[in-house]
Amino acid sequence: ETGVTQTPRHLVMGMTNKKSLKCEQHLGHNAMYWYKQSAKKPLELMFVYSLEERVENNSVPSRFSPECPNSSHLFLHLHTLQPEDSALYLCASSQGIGLAGGYEQYFGPGTRLTVT
Amino acid sequence: GQQLNQSPQSMFIQEGEDVSMNCTSSSIFNTWLWYKQDPGEGPVLLIALYKAGELTSNGRLTAQFGITRKDSFLNISASIPSDVGIYFCAGRYNNNDMRFGAGTRLTVKP
Repeated sequence: ETGVTQTPRHLVMGMTNKKSLKCEQHLGHNAMYWYKQSAKKPLELMFVYSLEERVENNSVPSRFSPECPNSSHLFLHLHTLQPEDSALYLCASSQGIGLAGGYEQYFGPGTRLTVT
Repeated sequence: GQQLNQSPQSMFIQEGEDVSMNCTSSSIFNTWLWYKQDPGEGPVLLIALYKAGELTSNGRLTAQFGITRKDSFLNISASIPSDVGIYFCAGRYNNNDMRFGAGTRLTVKP
């Protein structure tokens, strides 16, 4: 148990559906992240939030829309996805953003998304 | 760009053997981290390295931050069946961004 929970753990959706992924961290951290993990590819950073403000958006298509209502919760809203968006979506949190010790990222278990 | 090359891609070893894996890059990183991911779970941090040349241990695991800041290795001594999983290196070069290797899949035969 890393203190980062994600729901749902599995999601199957059609290309015309709208769904949301939820992440909650119980570590008192100030930064949260969304990553995409595809088979046999490195983790890809999607979004970074620090103190509820988005500080990084790595050229992610607009069909992915993040929301961070407070420092403990992070959502990823999905709409009109493509089959190639099927992947494991991982949420992470850290004490802050920076290079110093103590700012390491802790990951949730992920949501396995399948787009049909 | 800050791409990481992690090797080997997979390893099949006998219980009790030592394991070594590494990550290299053409770019400099300021922090190196090693994670392990079990099936159906997210990556779990094993070791974090903050200074070039730093050598850090965590139980049977030892990792080093290369002196050139472009590489890192992870060693596992006396492997056991629960060491099975995918090991990822990660390098951080600025406040917001962290790059990951593609992973080393470790299989340990009892």
